[in-house]
Amino acid sequence: GAVVSQHPSRVICKSGTSVKIECRSLDFQATTMFWYRQFPKKSLMLMATSNEGSKATYEQGVEKDKFLINHASLTLSTLTVTSAHPEDSSFYICSARVGETLSGASEQYFGPGTRLTVT
Amino acid sequence: AQSVTQPDIHITVSEGASLELRCNYSYGATPYLFWYVQSPGQGLQLLLKYFSGDTLVQGIKGFEAEFKRSQSSFNLRKPSVHWSDAAEYFCAVGDYKYIFGTGTRLKVLA
Repeated sequence: GAVVSQHPSRVICKSGTSVKIECRSLDFQATTMFWYRQFPKKSLMLMATSNEGSKATYEQGVEKDKFLINHASLTLSTLTVTSAHPEDSSFYICSARVGETLSGASEQYFGPGTRLTVT
Repeated sequence: AQSVTQPDIHITVSEGASLELRCNYSYGATPYLFWYVQSPGQGLQLLLKYFSGDTLVQGIKGFEAEFKRSQSSFNLRKPSVHWSDAAEYFCAVGDYKYIFGTGTRLKVLA
């Protein structure tokens, strides 16, 4: 099956520093990856769509200068949280789009998530 | 507006009992529907999906779901729950981008 990994699984950083989270598709190529944020006991909020070789598309209300996304290859997308603050503490999950049908339907396979804590 | 509603925030069932988790959606186009399960501190695992065809879909771990267009619903069922099924369950709708429901937390009593 399609496996998506994330690194690191958890990270603690000081306020004002930047943190990079990697999302990799291990056994397939992913033209499109998505980045989500999940607050405690809440649903997933889509932050941005990452397309290989092009700029990411951010959802309304998401600061693109704070959450930098790079999708430099067909197996790797990165999310960098710049100048992190305690309010950026959250669970960040990536997914890869797989198996688009002729009608446009597709599946998403999710990574295990990264717990970010900003002190 | 496009949305997914999971009316039950928490559900508790006894091990061996049957389970039904509700999901209602509002979506302008043909709905592609999904159920995912999330264990604590983990990512999401796809249980099953509906794209077209037979409205009763079978998934992994003994789960099934039925698409009812007239009721805009896609409820998840399992005839006999196991303790390992305790987790958070998310319903989602979408083709390119997904809209997720708020989740239902399942607790299983021994």
